[in-house]
Amino acid sequence: GEDVEQSLFLSVREGDSSVINCTYTDSSSTYLYWYKQEPGAGLQLLTYIFSNMDMKQDQRLTVLLNKKDKHLSLRIADTQTGDSAIYFCAESMNSGYSTLTFGKGTMLLVSP
Amino acid sequence: ETGVTQSPTHLIKTRGQQVTLRCSSQSGHNTVSWYQQALGQGPQFIFQYYREEENGRGNFPPRFSGLQFPNYSSELNVNALELDDSALYLCASNRDRGGEQYFGPGTRLTVT
Repeated sequence: GEDVEQSLFLSVREGDSSVINCTYTDSSSTYLYWYKQEPGAGLQLLTYIFSNMDMKQDQRLTVLLNKKDKHLSLRIADTQTGDSAIYFCAESMNSGYSTLTFGKGTMLLVSP
Repeated sequence: ETGVTQSPTHLIKTRGQQVTLRCSSQSGHNTVSWYQQALGQGPQFIFQYYREEENGRGNFPPRFSGLQFPNYSSELNVNALELDDSALYLCASNRDRGGEQYFGPGTRLTVT
């Protein structure tokens, strides 16, 4: 079955790097996504990685994928207070319909 | 380009009542998915509509039903509301059942 797990909470200081980790169980996942959710808001797509890639960089964001260990991470460089939010990891299999399976989210708190 | 919009923003209903939530997909997108996000949880897939037909369903009872219209907007209907239906309902759209899903801001449903 499908299951996505994340640590629930991360606290960093402004200017530090943040690393949010995620593990998934379904080896047939084709895409893995990171979404950001601010209080009371919907989900904002941050970045995604295709399952045949190891790394993807997009400005301050770096995604690392270890397929062998089914481990995905999101690194945010130079974390700002505006990065405080809940971050969700999600997997998609594109098996006829593109459903997303989400983790429970990691709350990132950035202090000045 | 218009993003995904949802209405209403907030809704309060009584147990046993029925509710209809609405979603307009992003311009150019013909696929709409609905998710339920309970407090402190990640979103759970309810169902997906592609070109006006249901194209996949998660583990939700039949009292959750939907429609998609020729302009690709969509409705989520929930009958016989239960207290556990209280959640944020998110709509997401994408193109041809694949690719990135873009989310609307959600409808917060409270059942009393």
